[in-house]
Amino acid sequence: QKEVEQNSGPLSVPEGAIASLNCTYSDRGSQSFFWYRQYSGKSPELIMSIYSNGDKEDGRFTAQLNKASQYVSLLIRDSQPSDSATYLCAVKAGGYNKLIFGAGTRLAVHP
Amino acid sequence: DADVTQTPRNRITKTGKRIMLECSQTKGHDRMYWYRQDPGLGLRLIYYSFDVKDINKGEISDGYSVSRQAQAKFSLSLESAIPNQTALYFCAAAGTGNTDTQYFGPGTRLTVL
Repeated sequence: QKEVEQNSGPLSVPEGAIASLNCTYSDRGSQSFFWYRQYSGKSPELIMSIYSNGDKEDGRFTAQLNKASQYVSLLIRDSQPSDSATYLCAVKAGGYNKLIFGAGTRLAVHP
Repeated sequence: DADVTQTPRNRITKTGKRIMLECSQTKGHDRMYWYRQDPGLGLRLIYYSFDVKDINKGEISDGYSVSRQAQAKFSLSLESAIPNQTALYFCAAAGTGNTDTQYFGPGTRLTVL
């Protein structure tokens, strides 16, 4: 069973700090990795995708991928209360466009 | 303008009833998916379809069926609803542009009494 693991949290950070969210995956053949943000009761919204080892930056968000260690992380700089949500890590499995989701990490940014 | 729409948004039903959840998308995506979400369990794949003639079971398909009526429409049915099917259901679509990215509908909150 291919798995994607995340710490459920909550991860609590003060406003303005860096939030670091981590995800590990079991399928060494995985090639595509995604971070989704989900507010309570709402649908997941894509934040970042990453395909190559290293860092990918988009505004305050940076995704980091290390395929050798099978982990992917998301950094949120200058965290804001509006960043408070659950962050889902997703990994593309197999030869089809099928994603395996982690259970999500709840982030709470307090003023 | 939402790419993926779901109806109904909320539904309360009784054990044993047949329920259909509908999903439509407007961007010409060829791949469509149904997920359910339960607290603490993340998103679990029920069924997925890569075109009108291609339907595949996900990890939790028992008790569910689907129909891909057209490229733009993918419906999920619960033939005889049971209380442990109470959950938040999401439809997603993918395939145009970056084919790996899935775009989610707003969700249907289903309660089975």
